[in-house]
Amino acid sequence: GAVVSQHPSRVICKSGTSVKIECRSLDFQATTMFWYRQFPKQSLMLMATSNEGSKATYEQGVEKDKFLINHASLTLSTLTVTSAHPEDSSFYICSATEAGTTNEKLFFGSGTQLSVL
Amino acid sequence: DAKTTQPTSMDCAEGRAANLPCNHSTISGNEYVYWYRQIHSQGPQYIIHGLKNNETNEMASLIITEDRKSSTLILPHATLRDTAVYYCIVRVGGSQGNLIFGKGTKLSVKP
Repeated sequence: GAVVSQHPSRVICKSGTSVKIECRSLDFQATTMFWYRQFPKQSLMLMATSNEGSKATYEQGVEKDKFLINHASLTLSTLTVTSAHPEDSSFYICSATEAGTTNEKLFFGSGTQLSVL
Repeated sequence: DAKTTQPTSMDCAEGRAANLPCNHSTISGNEYVYWYRQIHSQGPQYIIHGLKNNETNEMASLIITEDRKSSTLILPHATLRDTAVYYCIVRVGGSQGNLIFGKGTKLSVKP
């Protein structure tokens, strides 16, 4: 079945640094990818919708200058957490739907645990 | 906001069927119901989805009421590895739409 690969699985960084998370669709093309954030014991919260070749659409309350999203190809979307602070520590998850399909499955990556010291 | 409501938690005995209910009374005619589960610190895993007909695959069965206002996910023979948070989601925005997660149901399968 279709697989979404997310890297890295875990990252620890110092406050003020930037962290890039990659999300790849391994055997299908994805015109749209989604980025979610999950705090401990809470549900997934949609952060933004990433569209190949255009600007991402951010959910209300998500700072677009802090969470930079790039979707330069049909198989890769990246999320960069800029100038990370401890409150950005969270579990980040990407997902993708195969292009050209109708109401098919949304595949999820394995997630990235970000810890900002 | 999520368009679904689910019980916070449920217990099930190992080997028995687990029936997880979900209410989605405001669902629109062309919106699909999806079920995912999440085991701690992993990405959500797809289980099944449907529009109005009942669906079955190797993992589970999905029963959708005729008025589409509720559905039930059935795990026919629950195992300890089925312990997870189960999310019932109504997909909005068509075939490329996103999934808005609610709080889900924490299913605990006990020996």
